[in-house]
Amino acid sequence: QSVLTQPRSVSGSPGQSVTISCTGTSSDVGGYNYVSWYQQHPGKAPKLMIYAVTERPSGVPDRFFGSKSGNTASLTISGLQAEDEADYYCCSFAGSDTDVFGTGTRVTVL
Amino acid sequence: EVQLVESGGGLVQPGGSLRLSCAASGFTFSNFWMSWVRQAPGKGLEWVANIKPDGTVKYYVDSVEGRFTISRDNAKNSLYLQLNSLRAEDTAIFYCARDALGNFDFWGQGTLVTVSS
Repeated sequence: QSVLTQPRSVSGSPGQSVTISCTGTSSDVGGYNYVSWYQQHPGKAPKLMIYAVTERPSGVPDRFFGSKSGNTASLTISGLQAEDEADYYCCSFAGSDTDVFGTGTRVTVL
Repeated sequence: EVQLVESGGGLVQPGGSLRLSCAASGFTFSNFWMSWVRQAPGKGLEWVANIKPDGTVKYYVDSVEGRFTISRDNAKNSLYLQLNSLRAEDTAIFYCARDALGNFDFWGQGTLVTVSS
């Protein structure tokens, strides 16, 4: 049950795009198409932004895009806005009905 | 509207016990897997445990196996987490979340557990 690796922080100016990587192994990210992403503002509960690698729940802007290649999943936020400043966590199914989260990435809007 | 409301957190001494509850509403509770996820102060999210809709199957992260027990009462639309043999490193906000194949689509507001003497 290892933690997935994410960059500690990424930043961008309003309107720009940023990409957050999430690196695991063939036992989690690479083995299943069950990667999800969560946005968490300070003092708030996490919010589901992407599920099943690429799917967006109702109400999530299409500026948020998920993808995966091998053992690495990615979240791209295009047209960065001030309200996107938050912590982002990836999560993957890890077999035997267990799940593992990433280390988290702070997105800063310059 | 889906709602998850946790309760039961508080201050407990090392080695002590606590029982967390999560009251669910706005969906058919008995149809869904449910999970507990925790977050230590200033740290990331950690999946802790989950339970099958009928309560017959449960899984835990290695660090809590044998100390924590997840359970549910579908008649009361409630999820529970019994925390025993608590350690300082268990200090965290505990969230309950609706679990759909690793997608936690709804979360409660969390309840804080502080383990300290």
